[in-house]
Amino acid sequence: QQQVKQSPQSLIVQKGGIPIINCAYENTAFDYFPWYQQFPGKGPALLIAIRPDVSEKKEGRFTISFNKSAKQFSLHIMDSQPGDSATYFCAASMTSGTYKYIFGTGTRLKVLA
Amino acid sequence: DAGVTQSPTHLIKTRGQHVTLRCSPISGHKSVSWYQQVLGQGPQFIFQYYEKEERGRGNFPDRFSARQFPNYSSELNVNALLLGDSALYLCASSLEAGRYTFGSGTRLTVV
Repeated sequence: QQQVKQSPQSLIVQKGGIPIINCAYENTAFDYFPWYQQFPGKGPALLIAIRPDVSEKKEGRFTISFNKSAKQFSLHIMDSQPGDSATYFCAASMTSGTYKYIFGTGTRLKVLA
Repeated sequence: DAGVTQSPTHLIKTRGQHVTLRCSPISGHKSVSWYQQVLGQGPQFIFQYYEKEERGRGNFPDRFSARQFPNYSSELNVNALLLGDSALYLCASSLEAGRYTFGSGTRLTVV
């Protein structure tokens, strides 16, 4: 019940493409869903996050789509650039009690120039 | 504004030794969490502290311990190191529930 399943494991797109990364969760008590970007040798950096009361959130080129009934959410990167090449992690947490994140296993994205 | 700072950035230890990792949160953040990230995996929750009290502990053995100081900085201690403890250890701080900022981590190699 505490797992967050992330797919695909890796993704290669051409510059300008729209990579989509998907995550699924089981625990309906989760109420905060962030996406993190991580470059080699660095810590994860928060990209965008969503709460279950909205179905979509957009910040710059990054969009989260959220389907509460299916317990799924996804990250779309518009007009992807080679600089977006990184590992992306979805996560889920409850914003009460212990605010621990349950992370997905990560998606390694490569954007070709 | 300084972000979350961790020290050291890298270290190498021998099996059976003890290690202390340090973290300074963003100024004003009272909550600090520790995560372990094994190569190729997502981070795994180890501990959370808020106002110097332990708020949560992940599924890690008692060899792992932590504490938070009055200035909200934190230490993670690992005793009797095993080869499997080799990982990137991440510290994260938060002002509000659910919004964590991570440091760059400490890369621990156990040989």
